[in-house]
Amino acid sequence: IAGITQAPTSQILAAGRRMTLRCTQDMRHNAMYWYRQDLGLGLRLIHYSNTAGTTGKGEVPDGYSVSRANTDDFPLTLASAVPSQTSVYFCASSDRAYNEQFFGPGTRLTVL
Amino acid sequence: GQNIDQPTEMTATEGAIVQINCTYQTSGFNGLFWYQQHAGEAPTFLSYNVLDGLEEKGRFSSFLSRSKGYSYLLLKELQMKDSASYLCAVRDGDYKLSFGAGTTVTVRA
Repeated sequence: IAGITQAPTSQILAAGRRMTLRCTQDMRHNAMYWYRQDLGLGLRLIHYSNTAGTTGKGEVPDGYSVSRANTDDFPLTLASAVPSQTSVYFCASSDRAYNEQFFGPGTRLTVL
Repeated sequence: GQNIDQPTEMTATEGAIVQINCTYQTSGFNGLFWYQQHAGEAPTFLSYNVLDGLEEKGRFSSFLSRSKGYSYLLLKELQMKDSASYLCAVRDGDYKLSFGAGTTVTVRA
């Protein structure tokens, strides 16, 4: 692994189902982030974690939860998916929370 | 919160210069970033300004005026591969980024 990986690459999900998007980085960055990107709205922060064991809410946290059990992994869970959560989801990481963020390749999620 | 504005689209000719403006209103400021994003790909870092002035990096330059809440990204000697979206992002006092909606630049031959 080099950088940030996300899984799955894409997913079609029925409304009401639970879904976890996975994110793993091997750069030992202490800060990690989840964004969603929608046409015309740009990237919006969902949740973030400045260090393992801590998390915080971003601009659009409702309907999403995260955990940060270790430095490398930062999964995003949709407890009960709704169509408005159809989006492209990007995970990112940065060193010490104040350098540039590096982005994963994204997960394209469609909720029907 | 942050309010970040940038033009939706710009078109320019190969070899020309294009300037993408970004204005922002923030509740806290701790730096401004520019990212490039090709269609279907992840954003990649281009530049960072935290002090007023111009930062030059090859064909790309970025300018910041904190008193005016204004930045621009200057792309010189445009190439076809520069066709992409350019994202302006402001970092707040908690080190979180807020992004503008992005400017799609189309380079024509």
